[in-house]
Amino acid sequence: DTGVSQDPRHKITKRGQNVTFRCDPISEHNRLYWYRQTLGQGPEFLTYFQNEAQLEKSRLLSDRFSAERPKGSFSTLEIQRTEQGDSAMYLCASSLVATGGSYEQYFGPGTRLTVT
Amino acid sequence: DAKTTQPPSMDCAEGRAANLPCNHSTISGNEYVYWYRQIHSQGPQYIIHGLKNNETNEMASLIITEDRKSSTLILPHATLRDTAVYYCIGGYSTLTFGKGTMLLVSP
Repeated sequence: DTGVSQDPRHKITKRGQNVTFRCDPISEHNRLYWYRQTLGQGPEFLTYFQNEAQLEKSRLLSDRFSAERPKGSFSTLEIQRTEQGDSAMYLCASSLVATGGSYEQYFGPGTRLTVT
Repeated sequence: DAKTTQPPSMDCAEGRAANLPCNHSTISGNEYVYWYRQIHSQGPQYIIHGLKNNETNEMASLIITEDRKSSTLILPHATLRDTAVYYCIGGYSTLTFGKGTMLLVSP
């Protein structure tokens, strides 16, 4: 499968614990995005990388959230001291920056986080 | 990103064309119109995008009005597997999703 993959698919954790999610983008894609989706809502943008550089962060990305893409390939999203409000689907997407400027994104299956 | 307006839900009979409208009157000149869909509990799936011209691919057709203030996504022969939430997004690199249109395809 050459699509975007995410691991784990499901995570249950207790409030106050730290969790880390991994995303592997489509191999030739140089942009990687993280989104969060709660029940009944559309996905909300969190942050994106172009290669290793984190170029934009949403105000939704509190200090407890950190994302990295150390070698410009896979990315990790860490949530420290989880809260019940962090329960959501965390989606990763990737795209190829193209001449002409369209940036269609391809999404992974998501990681569903439940904080108890 | 442009603000978009979509009907909350639509119905379509299997085998018929599904025409999903979207208003994006605040779209700027360099922003694309993207369409995605999301089947329950899956990640969003890219369908099609356009800037000014109408576009067609193996999944759908996109009709953009000349003033670029609205567009229509056309699924020419809807199947039960097309039941999903459809999102219209006006943007450039990052995507701002609204609540989309829940399309229900019935036998």
